[in-house]
Amino acid sequence: GAGVSQSPSNKVTEKGKDVELRCDPISGHTALYWYRQRLGQGLEFLIYFQGNSAPDKSGLPSDRFSAERTGESVSTLTIQRTQQEDSAVYLCASSKGLARGHEQFFGPGTRLTVL
Amino acid sequence: AQKVTQAQTEISVVEKEDVTLDCVYETRDTTYYLFWYKQPPSGELVFLIRRNSFDEQNEISGRYSWNFQKSTSSFNFTITASQVVDSAVYFCAYISNFGNEKLTFGTGTRLTIIP
Repeated sequence: GAGVSQSPSNKVTEKGKDVELRCDPISGHTALYWYRQRLGQGLEFLIYFQGNSAPDKSGLPSDRFSAERTGESVSTLTIQRTQQEDSAVYLCASSKGLARGHEQFFGPGTRLTVL
Repeated sequence: AQKVTQAQTEISVVEKEDVTLDCVYETRDTTYYLFWYKQPPSGELVFLIRRNSFDEQNEISGRYSWNFQKSTSSFNFTITASQVVDSAVYFCAYISNFGNEKLTFGTGTRLTIIP
């Protein structure tokens, strides 16, 4: 079946503009995670959703970042008033359950460049 | 707070050589999980292994093997008879058995297999 998909694959924007990144998880996966990967660095947790529970937003770096998920399907990560330090690859992952017990399946990422 | 250290930033070996990637973690938790993920040039992270802290048995899967030593807080990964397709960035990750569901990733080791 289809894996995790993300769009767009690349996004170039000007400083101060808003961007919206999309993630389509694997069907049936209840958990969805967003990560940020800066060049040459590891993955930095941003937010996760699990079923209908309130999302864990503790990794969001500032109030310019927000994310939504519709049920157990698509999620969007929105960055308002982008800054150059927001440039990174944003990775989405989904899993059948929460991270302790289940493998996470990652999408190809969205490479965001803020000029 | 938990921390995962992958001290080897980059490793290059000639094809067919064995190579070991180091992972050291810091935690006060008594139970936890450890993971290895592979990120090939395509960018999508691929799950390799999940290990419960209760289980200290070494694991072998084909050319891959993992050595978990709780006494030294290490979870090293060895590739035997390396192949060019093994070239990738490898990430070690940690999650506590309690609390939130956030994976803590190391900064990764870039492995290059020279043909």
